[in-house]
Amino acid sequence: AAGVIQSPRHLIKEKRETATLKCYPIPRHDTVYWYQQGPGQDPQFLISFYEKMQSDKGSIPDRFSAQQFSDYHSELNMSSLELGDSALYFCASSLSGLLAGGRWNEQFFGPGTRLTVL
Amino acid sequence: KQEVTQIPAALSVPEGENLVLNCSFTDSAIYNLQWFRQDPGKGLTSLLLIQSSQREQTSGRLNASLDKSSGRSTLYIAASQPGDSATYLCAMMGQGGSEKLVFGKGMKLTVNP
Repeated sequence: AAGVIQSPRHLIKEKRETATLKCYPIPRHDTVYWYQQGPGQDPQFLISFYEKMQSDKGSIPDRFSAQQFSDYHSELNMSSLELGDSALYFCASSLSGLLAGGRWNEQFFGPGTRLTVL
Repeated sequence: KQEVTQIPAALSVPEGENLVLNCSFTDSAIYNLQWFRQDPGKGLTSLLLIQSSQREQTSGRLNASLDKSSGRSTLYIAASQPGDSATYLCAMMGQGGSEKLVFGKGMKLTVNP
């Protein structure tokens, strides 16, 4: 079965540089989420999109922006990178409806992009 | 503010034991609760999803229960194996329109052969 695809898998940047992370959701999924997981931490919600419109916003710095495109893929843009931005960035997708087995809104996560800021 | 707690933070057991992993949450207005497995440096694998209207879900050796009134969920792992070694996270989605997941800090499980 198709899964969530994220690229790149690893990214190394210098401070103050910019980075763009890409996410390709599971086909037919209508909602995309971004989470940040710092070293030894639990994932923290950043932002989500439903049908290409921003649906919720969490602890996302003003230096970060995101969007969902017409083909449903999403990009997280990060500018003026700081050392503290080093983390695993996960994208997840879900279908806002009933899946087989009565599983509503189950979120499926991609493998993550490991961002290292030097 | 929704908070999810997992205690203990780590557990080491011999192979073959039946395990109980605990998760508690502060907000009883829960929409659903998901249990995930995470291997070191890897992504999150969804194990089980329990809707607020359900009491439990089962998949193979895994069984998850949900008690909204007490704000608790439990993941049972039967006949543990070394391959079960990983970090297990629970995450809740609250009611009220937001679909974000609020995660616990996870429990690192080590199953020794």
